[in-house]
Amino acid sequence: QKEVEQDPGPLSVPEGAIVSLNCTYSNSAFQYFMWYRQYSRKGPELLMYTYSSGNKEDGRFTAQVDKSSKYISLFIRDSQPSDSATYLCAMRGGGATNKLIFGTGTLLAVQP
Amino acid sequence: DAGVTQSPTHLIKTRGQQVTLRCSPKSGHDTVSWYQQALGQGPQFIFQYYEEEERQRGNFPDRFSGHQFPNYSSELNVNALLLGDSALYLCASSLVAGGPLTQYFGPGTRLLVL
Repeated sequence: QKEVEQDPGPLSVPEGAIVSLNCTYSNSAFQYFMWYRQYSRKGPELLMYTYSSGNKEDGRFTAQVDKSSKYISLFIRDSQPSDSATYLCAMRGGGATNKLIFGTGTLLAVQP
Repeated sequence: DAGVTQSPTHLIKTRGQQVTLRCSPKSGHDTVSWYQQALGQGPQFIFQYYEEEERQRGNFPDRFSGHQFPNYSSELNVNALLLGDSALYLCASSLVAGGPLTQYFGPGTRLLVL
């Protein structure tokens, strides 16, 4: 069983829709939870991060972490064609480490 | 600021050959991590370099080795290439004090092993 599970999609939505992206994980030691966006032929870029449980909002993006269920989500409101990309969840434990454990990524297409 | 740069952008090798990939970190960053991203998969951590030493390693064989230079740039070497080594190799730089929240990824080097 993988430490981080993510539905690879693809997910296709109309412009303006609310998008929900999710990951589950098995390692209870994870403390930092991140979402990266990766455009085709580019490296991942950090969108949002959350420490421990809770919600975090940044513009049209909201990240949620439920440590009791080992479940994290990213919501995108008013989705735009420019949001079309692969979204990767990533996690790490505490302490001095840069090692991130990534999900497989979900390919999102927002149709104009 | 050029951000994280990697070279070459694409590379084709044959099985058994050796390859060297290069990374220049974002200005001011002192830590370099390397990841392998196979097609349709998320990046997998290979190793991290800080102060010219390997500090942490993922589940990769010894065929994968690296180096960090005094100017913080880094190389990833892969020996005895296998078909399964075909992937996008990503370099990420960060500040050791800031951890992965300061981590920036480069565009990657796409390696094809025939």
